[in-house]
Amino acid sequence: EAGVAQSPRYKIIEKRQSVAFWCNPISGHATLYWYQQILGQGPKLLIQFQNNGVVDDSQLPKDRFSAERLKGVDSTLKIQPAKLEDSAVYLCASSLGTGAHSYEQYFGPGTRLTVT
Amino acid sequence: EDKVVQSPLSLVVHEGDTVTLNCSYEVTNFRSLLWYKQEKKAPTFLFMLTSSGIEKKSGRLSSILDKKELFSILNITATQTGDSAVYLCAVSDNYGQNFVFGPGTRLSVLP
Repeated sequence: EAGVAQSPRYKIIEKRQSVAFWCNPISGHATLYWYQQILGQGPKLLIQFQNNGVVDDSQLPKDRFSAERLKGVDSTLKIQPAKLEDSAVYLCASSLGTGAHSYEQYFGPGTRLTVT
Repeated sequence: EDKVVQSPLSLVVHEGDTVTLNCSYEVTNFRSLLWYKQEKKAPTFLFMLTSSGIEKKSGRLSSILDKKELFSILNITATQTGDSAVYLCAVSDNYGQNFVFGPGTRLSVLP
């Protein structure tokens, strides 16, 4: 079974530039999550999708961050404009979304963003 | 505000030792507690706990949840160098939302 795919793996941009990350979840997983993990901290949930609908985006800085999941499969996360404090690893995860194992999340390899 | 606290934050042991990692939480409408192992980038799933007092076991790893005292422990027996990683604890609410992760415990196992 293929895992969660993310691209790019690394990105370096200057502050005030924009950047986009892409995620392809495990086939059949209805729920998709984007996390921000700053060095030395645990992942922080930014947004959670159930199919193509948003179920939780309470911690997404909406003035600069946006995310979409068209057709309920792939997702993109965008930052515009980037700030220095956005430097982090951006993790995408997916889960079945239903049933007893719905909360088991499978993570992608992440995108390491450096803002200079 | 929902919160997850892990202790210790860092731990160094020698191969063969047994370790206990702690996770305490405060969450509205608790649904589940999850443990993950993070070696490089992507956390990998270890256990999901929803009921008190029922131990989950996988090889040398085991975990148990106490919903009355709001904590969980992760035990690793006969540690190996390959167990070196950051162990993350996370909780979710009753709707399968609002996942909150703790800061993690960095375990280093020396040969």
